Amino acid sequence: QVQLQQSGPGLVKPSQTLSLTCAISGDSVSSNGATWNWIRQSPSGGLEWLGRTYYRSKWYRHYAVSVKSRITINPDTSKNQFSLQLNSVTPEDTAVYYCARGPGSLGYWGQGTLVTVSS
Amino acid sequence: QSVLTQPPSASGTPGQRVTISCSGSSSNIGRNTVNWHMQLPGTAPKILIYSTDQRPSGVPDRFSGSKSGTSASLAISGLQSEDEADYYCAAWEDSLNGHWVFGGGTKLTVL
Repeated sequence: QVQLQQSGPGLVKPSQTLSLTCAISGDSVSSNGATWNWIRQSPSGGLEWLGRTYYRSKWYRHYAVSVKSRITINPDTSKNQFSLQLNSVTPEDTAVYYCARGPGSLGYWGQGTLVTVSS
Repeated sequence: QSVLTQPPSASGTPGQRVTISCSGSSSNIGRNTVNWHMQLPGTAPKILIYSTDQRPSGVPDRFSGSKSGTSASLAISGLQSEDEADYYCAAWEDSLNGHWVFGGGTKLTVL
């Protein structure tokens, strides 16, 4: 059974960097069959896919156009986890952030982390 | 503004059958399968239907999914009080190098 455990701060100041980590159990971040995604949910409830990383003989990273200039998703094979960094945050980045496993169904989700951007 | 369009709310009485629609386009639902997620307050979305009409183990057969063209539907038969939740559709979007798109969510109330 795949389990995803998120960690990271719940409060970030404007213009700073949001950093979250998703630890994987029951699967490998290097698995050839999986993709590792970050998704956020705004206070109004809408879901937005932010990006993903996956391994297919080499590492790939794909990002949503809306955050492409500010986002980095990295795998950490030594700890079997992956991370999200979102730079230059504003209050509009306030949301619940989720990690999730793909590719076909986003069948496994982390517990979610409420990140508030405020001074 | 979500890429996939869902009604914001739906309701039914216990035992009734309720359907929730999800409208997309040729570059998402029209080409790819649809997933449905159920979200209870304060929890992460949980997969309910994948590959348009497949149920993960543990999901009752009261839940079913279908697709026609660029629209999909989730049907819940024999409605129960514990079905009260938010429901989201999701599909892979082929444009812009590919990405997941979601519906805005439908809040189901069991009267």
